[in-house]
Amino acid sequence: NAGVTQTPKFRILKIGQSMTLQCTQDMNHNYMYWYRQDPGMGLKLIYYSVGAGITDKGEVPNGYNVSRSTTEDFPLRLELAAPSQTSVYFCASSPIRWDTQYFGPGTRLTVL
Amino acid sequence: TQLLEQSPQFLSIQEGENLTVYCNSSSVFSSLQWYRQEPGEGPVLLVAVVTGGEVKKLKRLTFQFGDARKDSSLHITAAQPGDTGLYLCAGVDNNAGNMLTFGGGTRLMVKP
Repeated sequence: NAGVTQTPKFRILKIGQSMTLQCTQDMNHNYMYWYRQDPGMGLKLIYYSVGAGITDKGEVPNGYNVSRSTTEDFPLRLELAAPSQTSVYFCASSPIRWDTQYFGPGTRLTVL
Repeated sequence: TQLLEQSPQFLSIQEGENLTVYCNSSSVFSSLQWYRQEPGEGPVLLVAVVTGGEVKKLKRLTFQFGDARKDSSLHITAAQPGDTGLYLCAGVDNNAGNMLTFGGGTRLMVKP
């Protein structure tokens, strides 16, 4: 099993550009999450999903959108990139809601 | 302000020393998880504690959940350079939307 995979690993965006961060898990977990981690800080929840077709906002959802069309995939969309969205983004999944989180390797995003 | 406060924020020690890091809150948590994150990677679960007063040991690491389920500590005996990393606690607060909330982390460096 690959676990949780994320692409790309690194990306530089210009202000106002858009992009999609991809996340896929092969553990058949119903629950998936997107977090952002700013330098030297802990993780803040952006969005989460309890199953295909169901998503909900986390602590810091503004500027982001998500979709969950399959159990495996949970992409995160940035529509109008802003410098405040410069961060490392982690996708995670869990077999039980809020249980052990299995994290991907992260995507380091810089918005200039 | 962080729902979960971790202290110290930074810790630099010599190999062989003992250390304790703390995770404190004014909220009661139904469970609390500890993760370790190495540079360029996602966090990896070390342990989860669910019962007030619970103590769990993982080789040289000892985790304790406070009796009132508001705080937790992680004690490392005879630290090794391989223990270097960012230690994160995360808790599920039933009174705060039932989301998993992360503390700001303790960055540990163990020098050989």
